[in-house]
Amino acid sequence: EVQLVESGGGLVQPGRSLRLSCAASGFTFDDYAMHWVRQAPGKGLEWVSGISWNSGSIGYADSVKGRFTISRDNAKNSLYLQMNSLRAEDTALYYCAKARRVYALIDAFDIWGQGTMVTVSS
Amino acid sequence: EIVLTQSPATLSLSPGERATLSCRASQSVSSYLAWYQQKPGQAPRLLIYDASNRATGIPARFSGSGSGTDFTLTISSLEPEDFAVYYCQQRSNWPTFGPGTKVDIK
Repeated sequence: EVQLVESGGGLVQPGRSLRLSCAASGFTFDDYAMHWVRQAPGKGLEWVSGISWNSGSIGYADSVKGRFTISRDNAKNSLYLQMNSLRAEDTALYYCAKARRVYALIDAFDIWGQGTMVTVSS
Repeated sequence: EIVLTQSPATLSLSPGERATLSCRASQSVSSYLAWYQQKPGQAPRLLIYDASNRATGIPARFSGSGSGTDFTLTISSLEPEDFAVYYCQQRSNWPTFGPGTKVDIK
């Protein structure tokens, strides 16, 4: 079964850091770009960051550029999001999502995890 | 950044009726547009990719059309499980999503 499972969310104070993880299974992880998409409570979807299959290309939304870092470990079938200098507006459910086509960096997302909640509050 | 707008914000319909949802891009995205369905407490599900291609396992009552800046998702006859929020997403540049259209029961 194709599956993505996020972890690492929680309650964190403004200005602190958090690292999210996404464990992939059921597909050849190192063939696909992976992305993070977030959803603030009661709001819509916002793309956060994406990374190519070989980590050679990376992109970030302007709202997180310079504060968040995406990475992957293909040997561990895992995707990560290092979040620094967190703000209240980063409070959201963070999903990892798989690009639909092999080797395509920017694509539709055909597999989603169930998300991990990040709450930034003092 | 390519901005997507969706209309209407809410669509109130009855089961069996036809639903027509619109997505407009601030600049051409060619046919690089996808549609997702999201139900409360669930992750989004890919319905349509590249404007008109149904994703794996998606029923034929869902169809997509359009190119350039104007796109439409049509649900030919609403089933009870289709009442949800629908988002469009472009992949012409770094991804962006529309604000969503909620399809609720009239």
